[in-house]
Amino acid sequence: AQSVTQPDIHITVSEGASLELRCNYSYGATPYLFWYVQSPGQGLQLLLKYFSGDTLVQGIKGFEAEFKRSQSSFNLRKPSVHWSDAAEYFCAINSGNTPLVFGKGTRLSVIA
Amino acid sequence: NAGVTQTPKFQVLKTGQSMTLQCAQDMNHEYMSWYRQDPGMGLRLIHYSVGAGITDQGEVPNGYNVSRSTTEDFPLRLLSAAPSQTSVYFCASSYGTGKGNTIYFGEGSWLTVV
Repeated sequence: AQSVTQPDIHITVSEGASLELRCNYSYGATPYLFWYVQSPGQGLQLLLKYFSGDTLVQGIKGFEAEFKRSQSSFNLRKPSVHWSDAAEYFCAINSGNTPLVFGKGTRLSVIA
Repeated sequence: NAGVTQTPKFQVLKTGQSMTLQCAQDMNHEYMSWYRQDPGMGLRLIHYSVGAGITDQGEVPNGYNVSRSTTEDFPLRLLSAAPSQTSVYFCASSYGTGKGNTIYFGEGSWLTVV
């Protein structure tokens, strides 16, 4: 069975600082990987996705993620965080014929 | 193009009442699913459907029923609401679950059971 672990429940960063959100997955083969963001009271927005090829994936809003097969990880990064990035972030996984499985999320707070 | 439409957006139910959360998509997607979101739990799959007439259970199906009589609609029924079903519900759809298929989410339905 597939599973996703987001080890950090809550992260606080200063505006302008760099950000890395961790995501580890469990799956026997190479999965399809996603990062979603959810602002308070809102729905889910897709930031980026990885299916194959280049292991460094660029997304919207200046985010990127790197797939590392050896570490079963797909960490999300941003070089300089803006106050508007405060939200909850979800890593998700599926394979060719399975539903999307989500991690429990990481809440990002941004301080001045 | 409306995408994935969920109704109602907000609902308060009394324990024991029944209701249906509606989900409709206009993209001719075969695959549709329902998730519930609870604090600290992420999104958990309730039921999903790979096409009209086909449904299957997800991680947390108890207390919920679904049907898929058309490609467009995938309603979620709460048979006898319980406070434990207080949650935010998201409907999603895609052409399939494979490579290249973007998954579209509705805006969510906030349900409170008192």
